[in-house]
Order: sequence, then structure tokens, then C-alpha cells
Amino acid sequence: AQSVSQHNHHVILSEAASLELGCNYSYGGTVNLFWYVQYPGQHLQLLLKYFSGDPLVKGIKGFEAEFIKSKFSFNLRKPSVQWSDTAEYFCAVNKASNYQLIWGAGTKLIIKP
Amino acid sequence: EAGVTQSPTHLIKTRGQQATLRCSPISGHTSVYWYQQALGLGLQFLLWYDEGEERNRGNFPPRFSGRQFPNYSSELNVNALELEDSALYLCASSLGWDLNTEAFFGQGTRLTVV
Repeated sequence: AQSVSQHNHHVILSEAASLELGCNYSYGGTVNLFWYVQYPGQHLQLLLKYFSGDPLVKGIKGFEAEFIKSKFSFNLRKPSVQWSDTAEYFCAVNKASNYQLIWGAGTKLIIKP
Repeated sequence: EAGVTQSPTHLIKTRGQQATLRCSPISGHTSVYWYQQALGLGLQFLLWYDEGEERNRGNFPPRFSGRQFPNYSSELNVNALELEDSALYLCASSLGWDLNTEAFFGQGTRLTVV
């Protein structure tokens, strides 16, 4: 069965630190990849997505993610985090053309001011 | 523009009862997706409705069902509630089912089964 693994359930960083959140998936075919973010008290919202083309994808708020097909990975990165990045981050994958997504368990990111 | 709205925000039921959760998509959105987020787990895909039809369902028992109304709002029904049904239920809507349109999420209904 398809699965999505997010390696860290909790990450604590200081402001200005660099961030990398891991995401690996198990499906071997063509996939679409997503990162969603949920800020405290807010809805889930799309950070970035990869369908095809350049494997380095840029999203909102300075986030980017790199699709490495050989490693089945889609890690999320940000060079310098801010306190306002405190949120829960979810990686999601699908192989269809609609939003029947398979989700990772999420990573709670806490940024210390 | 109003986002995806879900009601109620919280719902407490006893084991064996039925729960009905509601979702109003963004105006003009025809596709509605339901997900379950149990504590410590990622979201699990439950159901997909588009243009009033159930298009697909996830790996859940038949006591999880729903429907989509002509105005594209949707209901999720959970019959014969079990303790493990306690979770956050999220609804998302999109303009169509094509991934080129973004899906937007509601804030969810927290269902507690006691």
C-alpha cells in the first residue's frame, strides 16, 4: 500500500536557523506531491506542489521543496525560519489526477524567538 | 469570499449513535473531499463527491457514507459510531477535480465518541 513518511513529528528551531523537513513516499509510479501547512487556529493551506518539470519547486513564504525521484523524497526547505513559521506541516502524495491524497502524519514545527 | 465551512465545530456522541457532519464548499466549487485525521495519524481520504456523484471512497467501512446536494454542499454520515471514530473530520473543496485547481480546506469537525 502507498504510504507517506515524515521523519520528524516535532522540530524545534531558533529563528534564522535553516529548515529541512523530510518526506518520503512508497509509490513507484508517477506521483503528484504537495506540502500543506496549518498555522495555529487556521485551515490547512497549500504551501507548494510538484506535478512535473523542474524538481525544485518554490512555494509561498520562502519555502521550497526538491523532488528526488531516485530517493522517493520531497523534502521541504527554508533557508532562514521566522517565528511566524510555527505550524504543522503535512506532506501529501497522489497518483491520480484529483485530490485523493495520501498524507504523512505531519511535523509540528516550533520556532523559538 | 467565504471559505469552506464545516458544522458543527465539535460533536460528542455515544457509541452506537449516528453522526452527521456538514460541509459547505466555496461558491462555485463542485468537488468535495472528506478526510479523517485521527490523533497522531495523517489525514486519511474518506470520500470524494463531484457534481452530486460519489466518485471514489477510501478504505473505510460502509457505515461511513455521505452525499452531495444540488448546491454542492455535502454531508458525511457515520453510523454505529465506535470509539475509534473519534477524530477531526476535514472537508475540502475544489473548483473541479483537476489538480490544476487548488483544494481548500475547512477547519474541521471534531467528533468525540464516548
